[in-house]
Amino acid sequence: GNSVTQMEGPVTLSEEAFLTINCTYTATGYPSLFWYVQYPGEGLQLLLKATKADDKGSNKGFEATYRKETTSFHLEKGSVQVSDSAVYFCALSSNYGGSQGNLIFGKGTKLSVKP
Amino acid sequence: DARVTQTPRHKVTEMGQEVTMRCQPILGHNTVFWYRQTMMQGLELLAYFRNRAPLDDSGMPKDRFSAEMPDATLATLKIQPSEPRDSAVYFCASGSGSPVGETQYFGPGTRLLVL
Repeated sequence: GNSVTQMEGPVTLSEEAFLTINCTYTATGYPSLFWYVQYPGEGLQLLLKATKADDKGSNKGFEATYRKETTSFHLEKGSVQVSDSAVYFCALSSNYGGSQGNLIFGKGTKLSVKP
Repeated sequence: DARVTQTPRHKVTEMGQEVTMRCQPILGHNTVFWYRQTMMQGLELLAYFRNRAPLDDSGMPKDRFSAEMPDATLATLKIQPSEPRDSAVYFCASGSGSPVGETQYFGPGTRLLVL
């Protein structure tokens, strides 16, 4: 079945450091890939997404590229801020079949950025 | 600024009591999802509706959980009888029903504690 594996946290960085959170997936066909972010006490919100191979999603300085050859969708940011402290979830959705639209999430990676 | 609303935000109850959680999806959205989030299991899909029809509730314990959409502006999730293991944060999300790469918009969640 479909699944998502992301690096376990917590990840602690200093402000302005480079961030990478690894995410790999297993899926039939060509899924859509997402990064969602959850700030303390809130629901998840979409950070970025990509719907086909080689697409790059980007938002708020974060980027991720859909790599079909390595089944990966790693999240990167060149310079993190304290306000980026949150839990980041990688997810996929199938683009066909009965489970179309359902999101399958990774376990989440907690990021803490220190001043 | 359209958003998903959930009530109540917090609920403390005793084992054996009925719990009803409500969700108002974003106006015009035709897909609704219920998720449960715990530290141990992460995010789990409980039920999924499209145009008010249940499409997938395989993630839901059938003997005690039920999910309905009485109308397009209201989704409910009921637990009867509740058990301590049901303690979790329950999220509702809605989407526009796009067949590829649908973005799900999450509510703030209902934090449930069953004593």
